[in-house]
Amino acid sequence: ETGVTQTPRHLVMGMTNKKSLKCEQHLGHNAMYWYKQSAKKPLELMFVYNFKEQTENNSVPSRFSPECPNSSHLFLHLHTLQPEDSALYLCASSQGSEHPGEKLFFGSGTQLSVL
Amino acid sequence: GQQVMQIPQYQHVQEGEDFTTYCNSSTTLSNIQWYKQRPGGHPVFLIQLVKSGEVKKQKRLTFQFGEAKKNSSLHITATQTTDVGTYFCAGISGNTPLVFGKGTRLSVIA
Repeated sequence: ETGVTQTPRHLVMGMTNKKSLKCEQHLGHNAMYWYKQSAKKPLELMFVYNFKEQTENNSVPSRFSPECPNSSHLFLHLHTLQPEDSALYLCASSQGSEHPGEKLFFGSGTQLSVL
Repeated sequence: GQQVMQIPQYQHVQEGEDFTTYCNSSTTLSNIQWYKQRPGGHPVFLIQLVKSGEVKKQKRLTFQFGEAKKNSSLHITATQTTDVGTYFCAGISGNTPLVFGKGTRLSVIA
């Protein structure tokens, strides 16, 4: 309903698995984001893509690998995760420009559990 | 780095009571945004404040941006059960991306 669709909604994976989260936006935006939301922590920005170029990588471990093939699609590839990586992963989009501060449109998120 | 603090962390109110959440930044902000996340949902944009001392209203919600552009508040008059959720502020300083506060979780008892 927000124009940002995330799949899957729920994911359970073992520490040795490889999985990918997918995000698609139908708003004609040019910036896309990955956020991590854990209990008792603020929303943590992970990656930002602006016009398909990665502009932010907030010291995210290499076991998280983003991919932005075009301005409508964003992936987060996961491998050898740890139990502390269990969280809600939210994708967001915004119009995209050289000046941050635009409002974000969030997807429904993927609730990830790492066993 | 920039930090955004939000208080209180939790607030329980009787339906009909007022509610206020406060947001403070360690740095001067160029703008501040407020989002609401319903239980089990995702954050939804409510409003953006840009000017020093700005006050904006959306029905029962009143948003303020401090004169020094380092703090903000959200006030809800006569809460209803539909107001339940977590309210986040998020600030921008310079060219840095949005920094979110931890949020205030509002419970409304009917």
